[in-house]
Amino acid sequence: DAGVIQSPRHEVTEMGQEVTLRCKPISGHNSLFWYRQTMMRGLELLIYFNNNVPIDDSGMPEDRFSAKMPNASFSTLKIQPSEPRDSAVYFCASSPRQAYGYTFGSGTRLTVV
Amino acid sequence: AQSVTQLDSHVSVSEGTPVLLRCNYSSSYSPSLFWYVQHPNKGLQLLLKYTSAATLVKGINGFEAEFKKSETSFHLTKPSAHMSDAAEYFCVVSATGGGADGLTFGKGTHLIIQP
Repeated sequence: DAGVIQSPRHEVTEMGQEVTLRCKPISGHNSLFWYRQTMMRGLELLIYFNNNVPIDDSGMPEDRFSAKMPNASFSTLKIQPSEPRDSAVYFCASSPRQAYGYTFGSGTRLTVV
Repeated sequence: AQSVTQLDSHVSVSEGTPVLLRCNYSSSYSPSLFWYVQHPNKGLQLLLKYTSAATLVKGINGFEAEFKKSETSFHLTKPSAHMSDAAEYFCVVSATGGGADGLTFGKGTHLIIQP
């Protein structure tokens, strides 16, 4: 199994541009999570899906952030427009069921200049 | 509601000596608890997990943790540190039974191994 696959690994973009982060969970996992990691705040849960349905998006910082999971094997996190304070590492994780143990992707390091 | 407190932001030990990374939690439900490790520029890797079975949990790379409900603690230990253990360690709590919560992460403990 290739694990959770995130792309791109690194993204540098200018303020105001749209950014799309991608995640492919492990086949058969029905929970998918998006996290953001910064030095100031540590790891924060942004949103999670069960069976492709968004369950809790209360961690999404503002309307500029949106996430979709059109099918069981793909999810996107979009920021539009991006701002320098969005610079962080964004992790995707999947789990066969909640509280069972999560597998994290390698993350996408986003830099907004 | 749930929360996690990692009591030390940095821990420094000599190679070959014991490691203790401290974690306290609070949870409205019977919690599941995890320790994750993050090496520089890498993703998070699960070290071990507690899910209401045995209170002493053994993980990978010689790490173990003990769930102590009376102390609301889940400290991570290793008898003898290795240079490759240098990394960031996260204690994580997840509510079980409640269904609606994801994971809550501690702020992390940076483990430094002195030669």
